[in-house]
Amino acid sequence: DAGITQSPRHKVTETGTPVTLRCHQTENHRYMYWYRQDPGHGLRLIHYSYGVKDTDKGEVSDGYSVSRSKTEDFLLTLESATSSQTSVYFCAISPGQGIGGNTEAFFGQGTRLTVV
Amino acid sequence: AQTVTQSQPEMSVQEAETVTLSCTYDTSENNYYLFWYKQPPSRQMILVIRQEAYKQQNATENRFSVNFQKAAKSFSLKISDSQLGDTAMYFCAFMIIQGAQKLVFGQGTRLTINP
Repeated sequence: DAGITQSPRHKVTETGTPVTLRCHQTENHRYMYWYRQDPGHGLRLIHYSYGVKDTDKGEVSDGYSVSRSKTEDFLLTLESATSSQTSVYFCAISPGQGIGGNTEAFFGQGTRLTVV
Repeated sequence: AQTVTQSQPEMSVQEAETVTLSCTYDTSENNYYLFWYKQPPSRQMILVIRQEAYKQQNATENRFSVNFQKAAKSFSLKISDSQLGDTAMYFCAFMIIQGAQKLVFGQGTRLTINP
């Protein structure tokens, strides 16, 4: 299994408080992603990173920020949590297209965040 | 913008039957990968099969195969001899393999295999 760890695994927080989710990898993969999963919407891309300090917005980035100061860590921050951000959050990593051309994304176990 | 559409929110078949899950995508890129991922109740995301856009031959992995129609931007998954363990959410995904390597998923299809 790819070495990817999300923390915390579960969190309950109050509306208006800041929250940071951490994705840590031991694979030295270049690409990292944050998604949220909600019923009927599948996995929606929040932000992604293509290198240290190189990030870009996904389709649902409003209310979220990210940082990647080193290869192994990709942080997702909700500056002021709202109830609409209650969701399951997944981190994924990918090495990019390697020798032979194959690539794929590897996923963390997910973080269930509840904003009350 | 790249989008992925799965038009079947739910499907249900009997064990041992063959089932096909649909996926269409929209992109102006030429170099990309397409994937099918499976998510069982454990919530773990598992790669089922992948297809490189420049390869015309459809990918196969045991009971799983795809029908890749590049001009139509269609990428369907066929599961043969379905098993109870195939019950899961299935996600179609698209990855650009140049630049920032954006990875986009569809809405998912909930597949139930009945005994």
